[in-house]
Amino acid sequence: EVQLVESGGGLVQPGGSLTLSCVGSGFTFSNSWMSWVRQAPGRGLEWVAYIKPDGTEKHYVDSVRGRFTISRDNAENSLYLQMNGLRADDTAFYHCGNGGWAPDAWGQGTLVTVSS
Amino acid sequence: EIVMTQSPATLSVSPGERATLSCRASQSVSSNLAWYQQKPGQGLRLLIKGASTRAAGIPARFSGSGSGTDFTLTISSLQAEDFAVYYCQQYNNWPRAFGGGTKVEIK
Repeated sequence: EVQLVESGGGLVQPGGSLTLSCVGSGFTFSNSWMSWVRQAPGRGLEWVAYIKPDGTEKHYVDSVRGRFTISRDNAENSLYLQMNGLRADDTAFYHCGNGGWAPDAWGQGTLVTVSS
Repeated sequence: EIVMTQSPATLSVSPGERATLSCRASQSVSSNLAWYQQKPGQGLRLLIKGASTRAAGIPARFSGSGSGTDFTLTISSLQAEDFAVYYCQQYNNWPRAFGGGTKVEIK
């Protein structure tokens, strides 16, 4: 069974930083494109970023480019999202998915709250 | 940037009835469209990809159709576990884009 478990969310002040993690199991992590999407309470879903299996290709939505960095450690079956310069509108549940187009599995998410 | 629009926002259906959900893209996405189900506190569950191909383990009562800009998800006979929010998502272009969702509730 494919499982994705996110962690690292929490409360952070505007302008602060946070790093999210996602551990995958039940599939060949090192062969999989991986993605982050976010879902703000009462708002829609936004695809934040995705990364190639070997980490050499990354794509970001305009609203986070230059502030967020997606990375991975295939030896640890782990995906990361480093978030800098956080703003109130970054407040959301962040979910990881195993794919860059139509992932067939997503985690339950970790909540990031940006507030003073 | 492609905008995905879903209708209706809420659909009230009795168990055993048919539900038809619509999704429209602001420009053609070919057949590069997925449908997901989401229940409270859970992640997204992939139902359909390629506009009409059921994902592994998805019951046959779920079917997808359409191409280009207009797509439909049909649930032929609603079961209790099907009451949830459904999202369409295009993966033809970057950035990927989701629709705003259709909540299927018990009538």
